[in-house]
Amino acid sequence: GAVVSQHPSWVICKSGTSVKIECRSLDFQATTMFWYRQFPKQSLMLMATSNEGSKATYEQGVEKDKFLINHASLTLSTLTVTSAHPEDSSFYICSAGIFSRQETQYFGPGTRLLVL
Amino acid sequence: AQTVTQSQPEMSVQEAETVTLSCTYDTSESDYYLFWYKQPPSRQMILVIRQEAYKQQNATENRFSVNFQKAAKSFSLKISDSQLGDAAMYFCVLTFYNQGGKLIFGQGTELSVKP
Repeated sequence: GAVVSQHPSWVICKSGTSVKIECRSLDFQATTMFWYRQFPKQSLMLMATSNEGSKATYEQGVEKDKFLINHASLTLSTLTVTSAHPEDSSFYICSAGIFSRQETQYFGPGTRLLVL
Repeated sequence: AQTVTQSQPEMSVQEAETVTLSCTYDTSESDYYLFWYKQPPSRQMILVIRQEAYKQQNATENRFSVNFQKAAKSFSLKISDSQLGDAAMYFCVLTFYNQGGKLIFGQGTELSVKP
């Protein structure tokens, strides 16, 4: 149990286009999900907290207009990278926790984004 | 400030031997959890072991065990009988009871296992 999926697993897009990444909790409901960004050989950097039915909470320095987050249901959060540029190329990971035990987070497999 | 520090960017171990990864943290909270997550080349994050701060007994999961020193704010991971599949980036992670799952990550330690 406690499986989190992400789609797509990797995507290549042209500069200026928008890309949507989905994060789904497959066998549990998640009122909160988290989005991370990771550069090679580095740690995970928290971008934002996605809250079901309300606005996301962004970490300092993260552009909310560039990284749009929508948490429309208890099993789905989406991250849209708008007007993508090459510097947005990175590995994006989401995580979610079971409501009563959110201290233990389950991670999606990640999405590799390459912006040309 | 709440921080997690892993001072060993890289470690290496011979197959079948034992290795210890270090982690220190800083917090003024009394209720918290500590984790070690593993990220193999596939980049899928995998939970290795968890420790509740209120528990004095060190957590153990098969070949993985921790040395939790609460007063010293130290949380090291020992891997016994290392296997090739243990090669990965290991992250020490801190979180709190009322934070809804928000995690604080260390910088990571890349472990290589030599056959």
